[in-house]
Amino acid sequence: EVQLLESGGGLVQPGGSLRLSCAASGFTFSSYAMSWVRQAPGKGLEWVSVITGSGGSTYYADSVKGRFTISRDNSKNTLYLQMNSLRAEDMAVYYCAKSEASSWYSGNDYWGQGTLVTVSP
Amino acid sequence: DIQMTQSPSSLSASVGDRVTITCRASQGISNYLAWYQQKPGKVPKLLIYAASTLQSGVPSRFSGSGSGTDFTLTISSLQPEDVATYYCQKYNSAPLTFGQGTKLEIK
Repeated sequence: EVQLLESGGGLVQPGGSLRLSCAASGFTFSSYAMSWVRQAPGKGLEWVSVITGSGGSTYYADSVKGRFTISRDNSKNTLYLQMNSLRAEDMAVYYCAKSEASSWYSGNDYWGQGTLVTVSP
Repeated sequence: DIQMTQSPSSLSASVGDRVTITCRASQGISNYLAWYQQKPGKVPKLLIYAASTLQSGVPSRFSGSGSGTDFTLTISSLQPEDVATYYCQKYNSAPLTFGQGTKLEIK
């Protein structure tokens, strides 16, 4: 059974940093691209970033480019999102999601339960 | 960047109705489109990928069609458990943009 478990969310001040983790199990982690998707309270889904299975390629939404860094440790079956220079508009539930296919250009067939990031003074 | 526009933003329909949601891309994306269902308080669920391929386990009353810039998600006979917000997402290239969502309610 595929499982994705996010952690690392919490309260942070504007300008602060946070690192999210997503522990994966139940599939060959290194064979699939992984994404981060966020959802602000009462709002729609916003794609944040994707990383290929090898970790060799990464892509970001313009809203986070230069502030967020996606990475993965395939030996630990874990996905990360380093978030720096956080802003009020970054406040959201952050989901990690597995690509449906081996390539990064695919839908996401499994999602974690999400971790809440709150940015407030 | 390619924009994804869904219509309508919300709709109300009766049980048993045929429901259609539209997603339009500002440029052609071939069939690189997914549809998701998010029930209140729940995690998004993949319904359809490659514009028309039904994800395993998804009821056959859901179907998708389209290619290029215009896509549709159809529920052939609306059920009470289909109350949710539906999102399209394009994935032909980054950014992997979502539509703004369509909130579906039962009349």
